[in-house]
Amino acid sequence: KAGVTQTPRYLIKTRGQQVTLSCSPISGHRSVSWYQQTPGQGLQFLFEYFSETQRNKGNFPGRFSGRQFSNSRSEMNVSTLELGDSALYLCASSWTGTGLYEQYFGPGTRLTVT
Amino acid sequence: GQQVMQIPQYQHVQEGEDFTTYCNSSTTLSNIQWYKQRPGGHPVFLIQLVKSGEVKKQKRLTFQFGEAKKNSSLHITATQTTDVGTYFCAGAPNFGNEKLTFGTGTRLTIIP
Repeated sequence: KAGVTQTPRYLIKTRGQQVTLSCSPISGHRSVSWYQQTPGQGLQFLFEYFSETQRNKGNFPGRFSGRQFSNSRSEMNVSTLELGDSALYLCASSWTGTGLYEQYFGPGTRLTVT
Repeated sequence: GQQVMQIPQYQHVQEGEDFTTYCNSSTTLSNIQWYKQRPGGHPVFLIQLVKSGEVKKQKRLTFQFGEAKKNSSLHITATQTTDVGTYFCAGAPNFGNEKLTFGTGTRLTIIP
């Protein structure tokens, strides 16, 4: 079974631009969660989508948004990029997304904002 | 909101020494999960504990879930260089739609 894939793997953007990241979950998984990982802040939860609906949301500004398609693939968008948005963005898929099942992480997208 | 703290934040040990990381939640958890992230990699699921007081072993790794289901520990016996990485615990308050909250992580480095 193929793992979670994320594209692109690396991205360099300029402050003020916007970016879209993509995540394809493991086949059969209906939940996709997004995390921001920085050296000082650890794994910060952004949001979780289940069956095309945002079910949980972390404490991030409205510049961070996402969506999920009918095939469970998910995209995350960050508008008006700031230097502090430089981070590794990880998506994780799960059977249901609740605390009951383990999450399978993708390799991440390394975003650098200059 | 729910908070999950881990101590220590960093741990340097000589190869062959034991290592323990502790996980503490501000709320009672339905289950606790542990993940390992190698340097440059992504978190990988290790194990899940569900029952109060549960203890599980994976070779040199021993995982424990507290009686009150608010804390957990991971103990590695006789560390090896392959154990290097950051260990995260994660938990949810119930088996409903609550999201998994990850702990702050413990970074383990091994001195050969």
